[in-house]
Amino acid sequence: DIQMTQSPSSLSASVGDRVTITCRASQSISIYLNWYQMKPGKAPRLLIYAASSLQSGVPSRFSGSGSGTNFTLTISSLQPEDFATYCCQQSYSTPFTFGPGTKVDI
Amino acid sequence: QVQLQESGPGLVKPSETLSLICTVSGGSIRSYYWSWIRQPPGKGLEWIGYIFYSGSTNYNPSLKSRVTISVDTSKNQFSLKLSSVTAADTALYYCARHISASGIPFDYWGQGTLVTVSS
Repeated sequence: DIQMTQSPSSLSASVGDRVTITCRASQSISIYLNWYQMKPGKAPRLLIYAASSLQSGVPSRFSGSGSGTNFTLTISSLQPEDFATYCCQQSYSTPFTFGPGTKVDI
Repeated sequence: QVQLQESGPGLVKPSETLSLICTVSGGSIRSYYWSWIRQPPGKGLEWIGYIFYSGSTNYNPSLKSRVTISVDTSKNQFSLKLSSVTAADTALYYCARHISASGIPFDYWGQGTLVTVSS
């Protein structure tokens, strides 16, 4: 299985801050890396797919980059509604695997 | 707007079979792949398996011996059965859609349903 790791596991930030989250794969996954936003009681939301493509309807302050084994999710200016947990996922091969998540709080 | 809704018992006894249904609304179940994903309390997400609307399946090897995913296109539903459950199967269970067998993200998810395994 492809193992996914994320750093940091949590971070504290303020509205307006630039936030960067890192995701690493245990082997090359090309660009088959996706990012989700998760909030309690709500359906997970796809933010970024194929490493850097913005899902329709997602604000442009979210961006993704990377290929191979190293990827990043950046929120350029944190908004109040962005406080959530962010999770990466590889769709390169089954079994699909997820990172452990990064909790962004105030 | 496609919506997914999980349903099923919130409490299952050890050694019994966990059964969940995902109902798809706002779109057809045809031409897509449908997955089950779970998140144990305090842990990360785990992909359980998927089914194509035609009935072909792919399961996580870690659960393959206990998992069955099926589809009912007439009801726009797909289901999960997980046999011989233990406390380790206690989790928030999600259903999700993807448009390809691999290389594609889960673009729509349900809100999840909590299943507790306890006597």
